[in-house]
Amino acid sequence: DTAVSQTPKYLVTQMGNDKSIKCEQNLGHDTMYWYKQDSKKFLKIMFSYNNKELIINETVPNRFSPKSPDKAHLNLHINSLELGDSAVYFCASSPRSGGSTEAFFGQGTRLTVV
Amino acid sequence: GEDVEQSLFLSVREGDSSVINCTYTDSSSTYLYWYKQEPGAGLQLLTYIFSNMDMKQDQRLTVLLNKKDKHLSLRIADTQTGDSAIYFCAAGNAGNMLTFGGGTRLMVKP
Repeated sequence: DTAVSQTPKYLVTQMGNDKSIKCEQNLGHDTMYWYKQDSKKFLKIMFSYNNKELIINETVPNRFSPKSPDKAHLNLHINSLELGDSAVYFCASSPRSGGSTEAFFGQGTRLTVV
Repeated sequence: GEDVEQSLFLSVREGDSSVINCTYTDSSSTYLYWYKQEPGAGLQLLTYIFSNMDMKQDQRLTVLLNKKDKHLSLRIADTQTGDSAIYFCAAGNAGNMLTFGGGTRLMVKP
């Protein structure tokens, strides 16, 4: 069983479209994250939710909106996609909030905006 | 699919060497990475190794890859308190999709 699963794995879309990336964890963790991987392979945190409540919201365009229907799911919706949004996005979960605990990552979603 | 495993915790004394181990299952993994996460921060790429290499050294960091056993290790020489963090191993395929281990928390005691 996959602990943290993201769908889709690959997403190719045109500029201006709206798309969603889904993430689900079956670990019973309280905290979930979205990271964006930059060109230097650095994973920068975008959002963090703890028990469906937003606790970290880094400087990210308003076009990015996370949605957590329950604590096992954290979806990322992106409006009006731009070329610069092309990247690999990783979802992760951890037992509790904060960077001092182990985290489990999804395999990533490669988003390509054309 | 790929499975990447790491031990959860490692404690060392300042000045000692630290060795963090990682195993993976997919023999077709092309790149193996080590990331460092400090509290409250994102993941910083420390180093990586191609699957056709056995060893890579970068200052205090030495990465060893045993491809036959699918075992990767990160050695930090002269470990400092500033090295305290969580270290993630990741395996990547040709499409550069990564599978991460769960992370090893390194605690360095003065």
